Amino acid sequence: DVKVTQSSRYLVKRTGEKVFLECVQDMDHENMFWYRQDPGLGLRLIYFSYDVKMKEKGDIPEGYSVSREKKERFSLILESASTNQTSMYLCASSLLVGGTRAYEQYFGPGTRLTVT
Amino acid sequence: RKEVEQDPGPFNVPEGATVAFNCTYSNSASQSFFWYRQDCRKEPKLLMSVYSSGNEDGRFTAQLNRASQYISLLIRDSKLSDSATYLCVVTPLDTGRRALTFGSGTRLQVQP
Repeated sequence: DVKVTQSSRYLVKRTGEKVFLECVQDMDHENMFWYRQDPGLGLRLIYFSYDVKMKEKGDIPEGYSVSREKKERFSLILESASTNQTSMYLCASSLLVGGTRAYEQYFGPGTRLTVT
Repeated sequence: RKEVEQDPGPFNVPEGATVAFNCTYSNSASQSFFWYRQDCRKEPKLLMSVYSSGNEDGRFTAQLNRASQYISLLIRDSKLSDSATYLCVVTPLDTGRRALTFGSGTRLQVQP
């Protein structure tokens, strides 16, 4: 069974703290993604990675960085957390294949981050 | 203008009803289309792909209208378990990214 896990379901951090969100998938997927989800705005892509040590910016990368040292693990880093980064963060993974299967993304349960 | 637009709802329907959602997209070069389902406080999951010829999966029918740039989802004989948010998804131009563009979702509430 497909499995994407995220390190925390709920997290509360203070403004200015460095925050690490971890994501692990056990499906040997090449592609991994970080999204944030906010009411009325839907899911927005922060960063993605299609291979170890490879990363590309998504639509809203400002204030975030990522790390992918192993195929199964993709970390999102908030360098200096701010209140406007309070959100639900979702990690996803997908296979690097052709056709529509390439677009089937498997999501983790999400981390609800509150920055105070 | 948003790339993908959906009516947020909620759509409140009785059990057994037929309900339809539309989703419009702005980029005429968008290639692939999907519906994802997200239950309350859960992660999104792929519901079905949307093909040019339309496709059906049990009580669910998805259709694509390229000329008018919208996709639709029809649910027949609604069940209580269909209550969820339905996310319209399109692929961006740069398909090498395998990234998706999500709408903000339409909430469906099926009532007994």
